[in-house]
Formats: sequence, structure tokens, C-alpha cells
Amino acid sequence: AQKVTQAQTEISVVEKEDVTLDCVYETRDTTYYLFWYKQPPSGELVFLIRRNSFDEQNEISGRYSWNFQKSTSSFNFTITASQVVDSAVYFCALSEEGGGFKTIFGAGTRLFVKA
Amino acid sequence: GAVVSQHPSWVICKSGTSVKIECRSLDFQATTMFWYRQFPKQSLMLMATSNEGSKATYEQGVEKDKFLINHASLTLSTLTVTSAHPEDSSFYICSAKPRGQLKYEQYFGPGTRLTVT
Repeated sequence: AQKVTQAQTEISVVEKEDVTLDCVYETRDTTYYLFWYKQPPSGELVFLIRRNSFDEQNEISGRYSWNFQKSTSSFNFTITASQVVDSAVYFCALSEEGGGFKTIFGAGTRLFVKA
Repeated sequence: GAVVSQHPSWVICKSGTSVKIECRSLDFQATTMFWYRQFPKQSLMLMATSNEGSKATYEQGVEKDKFLINHASLTLSTLTVTSAHPEDSSFYICSAKPRGQLKYEQYFGPGTRLTVT
């Protein structure tokens, strides 16, 4: 069965600090996809990144970077030089081939960035 | 990009009444749509998978007689909350998988906030 664990419920940082959001997943499938979504107060999910199980390359997009490690079943997300606009709930999610690619979400991490 | 809309954005209804939420894929055909429910300060929980022209598949613990899902066309799925009660108050989000596209591809709607008084 697929499972996503985001152990950090809430994180509070001061603007310009770097912050890492942890994500650990469980799956028995060899083909799966991992995602990060941002959910601002409006509620609408904002897609940030997708990674497939065969591509462990880390990725950087502006102030965002992701570290995917199959050996530890982790897909962590780092925001560099955080800004107040980064304040939101961030969800890590997993979609596996054996599950028909339905997406299962972690509990989410609420990030507060203070000015 | 692919756009999914939901209607209404928010709805208030009285306890005991039924309410219908629509999920539309605006610029693509969706063979599969998913319905999620999100309680305040909680995660998105998958309720059901809806395939066009067939019965929806419900996740464990979701009452299929209470949450009626209809996926009558390739661009529309509806979720009807029957005999709604205050505990059904939640944020309902749908997502749609484009027909013929990559398996993992899905797009989320903006959500519908339901308040039952």
C-alpha cells in the first residue's frame, strides 16, 4: 500500500532563512511518481514538481530545490531565502502504477514565513 | 495548460438537503476523474475514482449512497452529497486525467467549499 509521511506539521522561519520540508514515502511499486504541491489560503492546489521513480536527479527551480533519494525513500523540498509569499501548506504526494495512478497525499506541512 | 473548473466555488445548505458539485475539464477530455475531501487543517483524502461511463470506485470508509458520483461525459463529473449534515462540511476537490495522455498526468480543480448548517 502506498503511504506518504510528512513528519513536520508546522514550520516557522524568518524571511531569508532556508527551510527544508521532509517527505518519506512507502510503495511496493517500481513505477511511481512523486509530487509536491503548494496550497495557499485560497485552497487551490499549485503544482510544483513531479519526479518519476526512475529519475533520481535532483532539481533546482529558482529558490526551490528537490532532493530525491530512493535509498531512503525520501523526496525533500528546500526553499532557499524564504519569502513571506512562501507561506502556505505544502503537500508531498505519491502516485503509483499499481494503484491506477491515483494520488495519495501526505498530511502536509504548514510553513509560516515571518517578515 | 489544462484547466479544470468546479461549480459552485462555495455553497451553504441546510442539514438534510442534497447538494451537487460539478467538475469540468474545460479544454480536454477526461476519462478518469478523482474526488477528494479536505477537512480544515487536514490533508486531501481520496474519496472515489470516477471513470466515464462506468460506476465510480469508492475508497474504504466512503459511503457510496451518501456521495453519489456521476461521470456521464468525458468533460463532466458530478458529486452529489445526499442528506447533508454538518459533519459533511468540507472542501471538495476534483482532479481529471486527460484522455490518452501520460498516465500520471492529472489536473486539479480549484475546489468547492461546502458548509452545512
